[in-house]
Amino acid sequence: GQQVMQIPQYQHVQEGEDFTTYCNSSTTLSNIQWYKQRPGGHPVFLIQLVKSGEVKKQKRLTFQFGEAKKNSSLHITATQTTDVGTYFCAAVDTGTASKLTFGTGTRLQVTL
Amino acid sequence: EPEVTQTPSHQVTQMGQEVILRCVPISNHLYFYWYRQILGQKVEFLVSFYNNEISEKSEIFDDQFSVERPDGSNFTLKIRSTKLEDSAMYFCASSRGGNTEAFFGQGTRLTVV
Repeated sequence: GQQVMQIPQYQHVQEGEDFTTYCNSSTTLSNIQWYKQRPGGHPVFLIQLVKSGEVKKQKRLTFQFGEAKKNSSLHITATQTTDVGTYFCAAVDTGTASKLTFGTGTRLQVTL
Repeated sequence: EPEVTQTPSHQVTQMGQEVILRCVPISNHLYFYWYRQILGQKVEFLVSFYNNEISEKSEIFDDQFSVERPDGSNFTLKIRSTKLEDSAMYFCASSRGGNTEAFFGQGTRLTVV
């Protein structure tokens, strides 16, 4: 089945440093979504990318979809302690179910 | 803001017992899902439900699992005979369309002892 891997597994940064997580799929993706899960919380939708090479920004967060639609990245500029959590990419199955195949996740820890 | 609600938040059950996890999806959503997350691991798809029937299920969703939408608002996941390895956080989710964002509930932490 489809495999979605993320690197790194874990990153610890000082507040103000940048952070990037990379998402790679074993198959070409139709769409990709990104979710954030705070410690002890549930996944919360951040964004969906659809087009090859697409770049979207949300304040300090920049999301990219690769040209071949097999990879994606999330970059956070000048991290804050509120960015702490696990970031998951999720491949969207555009068949009937539209299930999400989640990536392995990157846990971000930010300290002062 | 509308949200997906799940009950109970935590359930402890003995191995071999049946459990029912309950969810109330967002009212105008058409797609419903169950996912599970073993502590510290990724979120895994279990089953999707659309138009009053299962659309797709994963290998995890074997004969011990079933889902129902009994009354047009609730969406339940039943595990007939729980095993130790069923211990996980179970998330219900719903979405308006087949290709739109999924809204997740707060989860039910199931502990099988």
